[in-house]
Amino acid sequence: GAVVSQHPSRVICKSGTSVKIECRSLDFQATTMFWYRQFPKQSLMLMATSNEGSKATYEQGVEKDKFLINHASLTLSTLTVTSAHPEDSSFYICSASFPSGAYEQYFGPGTRLTVT
Amino acid sequence: AQSVTQLGSHVSVSEGALVLLRCNYSSSVPPYLFWYVQYPNQGLQLLLKYTTGATLVKGINGFEAEFKKSETSFHLTKPSAHMSDAAEYFCAVTPGGATNKLIFGTGTLLAVQP
Repeated sequence: GAVVSQHPSRVICKSGTSVKIECRSLDFQATTMFWYRQFPKQSLMLMATSNEGSKATYEQGVEKDKFLINHASLTLSTLTVTSAHPEDSSFYICSASFPSGAYEQYFGPGTRLTVT
Repeated sequence: AQSVTQLGSHVSVSEGALVLLRCNYSSSVPPYLFWYVQYPNQGLQLLLKYTTGATLVKGINGFEAEFKKSETSFHLTKPSAHMSDAAEYFCAVTPGGATNKLIFGTGTLLAVQP
């Protein structure tokens, strides 16, 4: 149980375009979803926390107008990277949790974004 | 504020040897502690967690960790390393309460030599 999927697993886009990444909880209702960014050989950096039906809470230094997060349902959150630039190339990972889950987060497999 | 320190960004052991990955935390409230494993180009998989109760917790794949409040540590161990254990390991802490935001350590890359 507690499976989280991400789509796509890899995406290449041109500079200036936007790309959307989906995060789905497949077998549970995720009241909270998290979006992380991971640079090569580094740890995960939390970008934002989203609760279903409300605006996402962004971490300091993360541009909310550039990284649009929508958590429209209890099983789906999306991250849209707008006007992507090469420096946005990274590994993006989402996670999901539910209230009775003892604060455990269930992670998706990640999305490798390459901006050319 | 909470923080996590993982000593040793790279650890190399021989197959069959003891694995010890170190994690120290800083927290102003009783923490919840986690160890995650990440294989290349994949997400994170939970190895084990400590919330309350028994301080020695057992996880998947033969790993275990002991919460030592006096040492503010949560080191990960496995008696005998297997080649398949080669991966990146992350220690994480959450302060609990109203938030379950995770704070990750910088990770330790475990290499297992034949």
